[in-house]
Amino acid sequence: GQNIDQPTEMTATEGAIVQINCTYQTSGFNGLFWYQQHAGEAPTFLSYNVLDGLEEKGRFSSFLSRSKGYSYLLLKELQMKDSASYLCAAMDSNYQLIWGAGTKLIIKP
Amino acid sequence: DTAVSQTPKYLVTQMGNDKSIKCEQNLGHDTMYWYKQDSKKFLKIMFSYNNKELIINETVPNRFSPKSPDKAHLNLHINSLELGDSAVYFCASSPGLAHTDTQYFGPGTRLTVL
Repeated sequence: GQNIDQPTEMTATEGAIVQINCTYQTSGFNGLFWYQQHAGEAPTFLSYNVLDGLEEKGRFSSFLSRSKGYSYLLLKELQMKDSASYLCAAMDSNYQLIWGAGTKLIIKP
Repeated sequence: DTAVSQTPKYLVTQMGNDKSIKCEQNLGHDTMYWYKQDSKKFLKIMFSYNNKELIINETVPNRFSPKSPDKAHLNLHINSLELGDSAVYFCASSPGLAHTDTQYFGPGTRLTVL
């Protein structure tokens, strides 16, 4: 079956760095997406990886290892507004997104 | 300007009723989706339309019927509502079916069935 695993909840301190891991199993693979979802709001796009390696975009970076079925989202210089859920989604061979349940990130002052 | 809009934002109704949720996108995208996000926060694809044609129809009860009058609109009609239908329903759109296309989400419709 198809499956996405990510931690349910993480806590970090303002100004620090946090890494949110995601492992996936899909029928075929056409890329890995990360979305941010604030409570009561819609998911918004953060990043897309299809090749192995690290993609950096400001304070956020995303890493992919296709051979390991593994990705992580790295958030640097954490701000209070980064408190949200972070959703990992893998695209399968039919170009359907398989979503994880999200990791709720709590930022403390 | 709102890129993907849904109405209503909140919908409270009794079991057995029929209701509709409307979705419109002004991004000029070809593809639109309906997702259901349950209390455990899993996003599950329900339907996908490309240029008004049904592309994905996941295993959902046939009480759910999408309608796409044009490629900017994808409405969701639900018959004989049940308690288990309570969830947040998100509409989304993307430029096309290409694997690099980002999906843009609407604000969601919180449906509560009493």
